[in-house]
Amino acid sequence: DVKVTQSSRYLVKRTGEKVFLECVQDMDHENMFWYRQDPGLGLRLIYFSYDVKMKEKGDIPEGYSVSREKKERFSLILESASTNQTSMYLCAIRGLYEQYFGPGTRLTVT
Amino acid sequence: TQLLEQSPQFLSIQEGENLTVYCNSSSVFSSLQWYRQEPGEGPVLLVTVVTGGEVKKLKRLTFQFGDARKDSSLHITAAQPGDTGLYLCAATVTGTASKLTFGTGTRLQVTL
Repeated sequence: DVKVTQSSRYLVKRTGEKVFLECVQDMDHENMFWYRQDPGLGLRLIYFSYDVKMKEKGDIPEGYSVSREKKERFSLILESASTNQTSMYLCAIRGLYEQYFGPGTRLTVT
Repeated sequence: TQLLEQSPQFLSIQEGENLTVYCNSSSVFSSLQWYRQEPGEGPVLLVTVVTGGEVKKLKRLTFQFGDARKDSSLHITAAQPGDTGLYLCAATVTGTASKLTFGTGTRLQVTL
């Protein structure tokens, strides 16, 4: 079974704080993704990585950065959290065609 | 512009009823997946279809990929409360490598 874990299920942060969301996979997959999911907007791709130290912007990268220092670990960074970044954040890895998701992190920025 | 259109957006039915959810696009897909997501959880893969005209069955769920690989449907027979959730289609558009495009989802509620 594919296993994707995310560091926190629920997180509450204050405006302006630096926030780290971590994703770990145990399947040696090259491609890893970060999405946010909001009601009515569906899943939107923030960033993805196809190898260690490689990253590409997705559809909504503004206000976010990422880090991939090891193959199994992909971090999403909010440099200065804002209330409009309150959302469900989902990490995923890619199989042959499909993606496998972690359980998600519900982030609230107050 | 939403690349993948799902319909209906919401569906509330009683246990035992049948239903069909649709996923449509003007683009050709190299593959298409269906996921189910429960509140507060990540999407869970149900099926992947690759070949135009392909039909796959997963217990009471039947998935069909259109002949032209531009659309797909999910049919649930005799729905049960455990089928409640958000159903998402996702597809790789031919030529876009490893990225998936997601539909906005169909929220299904099955009541007793």
